[in-house]
Amino acid sequence: ETGVTQSPTHLIKTRGQQVTLRCSSQSGHNTVSWYQQALGQGPQFIFQYYREEENGRGNFPPRFSGLQFPNYSSELNVNALELDDSALYLCASSPAVLSTQETQYFGPGTRLLVL
Amino acid sequence: AQSVTQPDIHITVSEGASLELRCNYSYGATPYLFWYVQSPGQGLQLLLKYFSGDTLVQGIKGFEAEFKRSQSSFNLRKPSVHWSDAAEYFCAVDTNTDKLIFGTGTRLQVFP
Repeated sequence: ETGVTQSPTHLIKTRGQQVTLRCSSQSGHNTVSWYQQALGQGPQFIFQYYREEENGRGNFPPRFSGLQFPNYSSELNVNALELDDSALYLCASSPAVLSTQETQYFGPGTRLLVL
Repeated sequence: AQSVTQPDIHITVSEGASLELRCNYSYGATPYLFWYVQSPGQGLQLLLKYFSGDTLVQGIKGFEAEFKRSQSSFNLRKPSVHWSDAAEYFCAVDTNTDKLIFGTGTRLQVFP
């Protein structure tokens, strides 16, 4: 039990729609990262937020966006969904920015299916 | 570019046998190194991590890993596997860029 929760657990959308995924971090964790895990692959870094500001982004297009709120919750928004967006989306929180040797704690993920 | 390679896609062992899962990374300096485990339908659980110091790292559930700088490796080991260890194992590195780079994973199957 990592104390990181995500909602919903499963979601089905159609191509072109928009989706919002939610994450609730552990209290006191100022950093949240989002990862996309396609079937049979390792997670890939989407972006990270630190104290409500974006702090690094992976190789994902701008239609992937995020928000972090003062109450340790965060959102991942994906616009104009494509079939390849079908994946498990994981959020991970940590007490501070990773380069200070903090560990990321992962939530159970949201499985998104785009039809 | 930094990368992580897990050469074994799928490993099958008998319960009670020893286990070694391989991980190699590509990076000019010493990264921070992690092993995570993922059970079906679950998120990632941290098994162990290496930042600096002793190159043999002990983790949870009886796992250990050894960092070998000369081989750019961070292999995961367990002396006696239990049926409950069946899962997907991911090696990951952080090259001080505030993001984790994961390997493609090794699926472990345990036979009774």
